[in-house]
Amino acid sequence: EVQVLESGGGLAQPGGSLRLSCTISGLDFSASPIHWIRQSPGKGLEWVSTISGPDYLMFYVDSAKGRFTISRDNSNNTVYLQMNNLRDDDSAVYYCATVEAGGYADQFQYWGQGTVVTVSS
Amino acid sequence: QSVLTQPPSASGTPGQRVTLSCSGSNSNIGSNSVHWYRQVPGTAPKLLIFRDSQRPSGVPDRVSASKAGTSASLVISGLRSEDEADYYCSTWDDILRGWLFGGGTTLTV
Repeated sequence: EVQVLESGGGLAQPGGSLRLSCTISGLDFSASPIHWIRQSPGKGLEWVSTISGPDYLMFYVDSAKGRFTISRDNSNNTVYLQMNNLRDDDSAVYYCATVEAGGYADQFQYWGQGTVVTVSS
Repeated sequence: QSVLTQPPSASGTPGQRVTLSCSGSNSNIGSNSVHWYRQVPGTAPKLLIFRDSQRPSGVPDRVSASKAGTSASLVISGLRSEDEADYYCSTWDDILRGWLFGGGTTLTV
């Protein structure tokens, strides 16, 4: 059974930083792309960032470029999202998602339950 | 405003058939597979359809989808009350080099 577990959410001040973690078990982690998707209260889904499997390609939504950094540690089956210079509109539930041994343009097959990020002074 | 356009709401009565639409452009729907997700408010989204029309195991065959050109459709037949949820289409965009989601359609039964 594939399990996706996000952590690291919490309260941050505008301009502050948070690091989200996503640990996945039950699949070939190193071969799988990992995505971060967020959802602000009462709003729809918004893709944030992707890191591919074997070749570590990284992609970001325009609003995250220069502020967020995605990375992966295959030895710990974990992907990180370092979020700097946080803004109020970064407040959201952040979901981690993946597909087993797929490409970065394949579907989001498995999702975590999300971690809540609140940016407020 | 989303690059992928979905109607914000749709409704039907039990037993009816409903079609949800998703409109995009050549660089996204026109070039890449469309996937559909179902989300009950307060819970994580779940994959409903992948690669335009494929159902993951566990999704009933009363749920189907198709794609033509730069538009995609999700069809739910034999509506049930438990079909009430938000439905999102999604695809990769070759120009933006990123993923897109439609704004979502809230289905009321």
